[in-house]
Order: sequence, then structure tokens, then C-alpha cells
Amino acid sequence: QSALTQPPSASGSPGQSVTISCTGTSSDLGGYKYVSWFQQHPGKAPKLMIYDGTQRPSGVPDRFSGSKSGNTASLTVSGLQAEDEAVYYCSSYAGNNVFVLFGGGTKVTVL
Amino acid sequence: EVQLVESGGGLVQPGGSLRLSCAASGFTFSTYAMYWVRQAPGKGLEYVSAISSNGGTTYYADSVKGRLTISRDNSNNALYLQMGSLRAEDTAVYFCARGLKLATLDYWGQGTLVTVSS
Repeated sequence: QSALTQPPSASGSPGQSVTISCTGTSSDLGGYKYVSWFQQHPGKAPKLMIYDGTQRPSGVPDRFSGSKSGNTASLTVSGLQAEDEAVYYCSSYAGNNVFVLFGGGTKVTVL
Repeated sequence: EVQLVESGGGLVQPGGSLRLSCAASGFTFSTYAMYWVRQAPGKGLEYVSAISSNGGTTYYADSVKGRLTISRDNSNNALYLQMGSLRAEDTAVYFCARGLKLATLDYWGQGTLVTVSS
């Protein structure tokens, strides 16, 4: 099964907002609520930012928000800060045969 | 504080074997599913394998099925990945991660690098 589809890059100036999309199919992202977003800085482990499509773990700033409609999920980072510059990955449950799919990652640049 | 520490990576020849370990602390290990995820140099994340909290159910990506085996020791708070018939395309940093809920990975280790090369 193919990976989820993300744009390779996105950018915004400090204080602006950036939205990243993640597109799957009805067999994965569109069929389940288990959609997550991760932030990864160079040389570091991924960090969970959003789960169940819209939920923020404790400690994640409310500048990060998630949404989902049909086969597409989105991550919005509002009030961009320099430390938000990172690669963001989406993931989704994809049924017991495939289990977990990741997107290819989106590099967010703060201009 | 939740901590996951991977070990066991290194350089191995094509066709060789390696066993990765992940030491868990700061949470009740036996109540969580666990995952292995890998990242090839300069590439994105790739799911490898998952195991249920009691070890009774395992899942594998098609790319590793039959060559890699996930297991756990709940008495020692440890997760393992036995790797065999290794190929160059298995070269990656291997992360262990805790499963908050289905396919939801909330804590990750720092990873261990596996290099398959002659």
C-alpha cells in the first residue's frame, strides 16, 4: 500500500500560519479516526503533536491544531515561531494487514 | 518520565543478523503495545512492526515479513527486534515507540543505526 501523500515543503513568516495536508484513501486515513501528526527536528526522534486527528497531547502548544475531512487530514501551525521549523509527518491506521502508514513528510521553513 | 532507549545497532554484512533492544522505563510497560519504526538516511519514517501488550499478537510491514521478528519481555520491560537476512535497504535508524492507542505512537526512543554493507 502506498504512503500517505504530503506536500514536500511549506513555509511562512514568523507569526503567520501554515497548513499541511495529508491525503490517503478510504482504506486508511478516511476510514479510521487514528490519524497522528509528528514533528521531527534534524537528528532527533519524532514527537507526537496531534492524535485522533484533532487531539493535542499534554505539553503541545495550542498553536498546533488538526482537522480531518474525508480522506484528507490537515495540520495547522498558527503564530509560526522559529522553533517550529522541522519536518512534519502524518500517520494513520490502515487496517490489520497494513497497520500503520506514514506520509512522506513536509519540511516547514520559517522565513 | 517515560524513557525508551534502543541499543544493538551496528554494521552488518548483507545476509547477516542483528538483534535490537529497547529498554523501557517510567511507565507500566506490560500495558502498552509497542512499535518499531525505521528511517533510512535522509528519508521519511517507515513502520516496521508492532506487538500487543501481552506479546500475543504481532504485526509486520510487508517489506520485513519473514525476516524480522518482534518480541517483548514484560518482566524486564524490554522490546526486541530480531533481524535476519538483512539487505542494504534495511539500512536505517530504528526507533522503538510506545503505542498510546491503535497506531498512535506517543513516545519514541532516540534510535539506533543499523548499516547493512559489505
